[in-house]
Amino acid sequence: DGGITQSPKYLFRKEGQNVTLSCEQNLNHDAMYWYRQDPGQGLRLIYYSQIVNDFQKGDIAEGYSVSREKKESFPLTVTSAQKNPTAFYLCASSIGETTGELFFGEGSRLTVL
Amino acid sequence: RKEVEQDPGPFNVPEGATVAFNCTYSNSASQSFFWYRQDCRKEPKLLMSVYSSGNEDGRFTAQLNRASQYISLLIRDSKLSDSATYLCVVNRYNFNKFYFGSGTKLNVKP
Repeated sequence: DGGITQSPKYLFRKEGQNVTLSCEQNLNHDAMYWYRQDPGQGLRLIYYSQIVNDFQKGDIAEGYSVSREKKESFPLTVTSAQKNPTAFYLCASSIGETTGELFFGEGSRLTVL
Repeated sequence: RKEVEQDPGPFNVPEGATVAFNCTYSNSASQSFFWYRQDCRKEPKLLMSVYSSGNEDGRFTAQLNRASQYISLLIRDSKLSDSATYLCVVNRYNFNKFYFGSGTKLNVKP
């Protein structure tokens, strides 16, 4: 079945450590996205990529980095520069056309100890 | 001003009730519109796309009013399983960025 796979599902990190969240899709979608969701809040865009080897900052990119070396993969690194990294991270993809909807992975829940 | 605004609720309704949510968007260049459902601690899932002519899927009806820049979702004959947060999402033309409302929480009671 086609879909988006995020890993790990749960992750604990000590302050000062970088951590990388994996996102893989087999939907052949061009566009991929990373969102952050805090309790009781909406989704905020961290980074997005519309094509391989290209990506743009979203609304809250500080303290995060991404790469898009393959169409299927869009990993997110949460760096030590991110002041409040504990959150629910959601990866999504879309076909890339303006009317295509977003498909989401199951999310990664990061807790900084 | 936020791109997309929703009443956070919660809307507490009995089973069988009809409930309606509205969502407003600020940018007239917005091109595509969606309602997503999100269960607690889960990922959002597409409930329905919203078309200019309005569309219906079973108990759910979505409407778009471009002149007033709002989208609505009507749920008829509410079920306990409809309890969730409903997210309004818009996509701006030629930009391929999706803007989310903060969600409206629905609690359907027995």
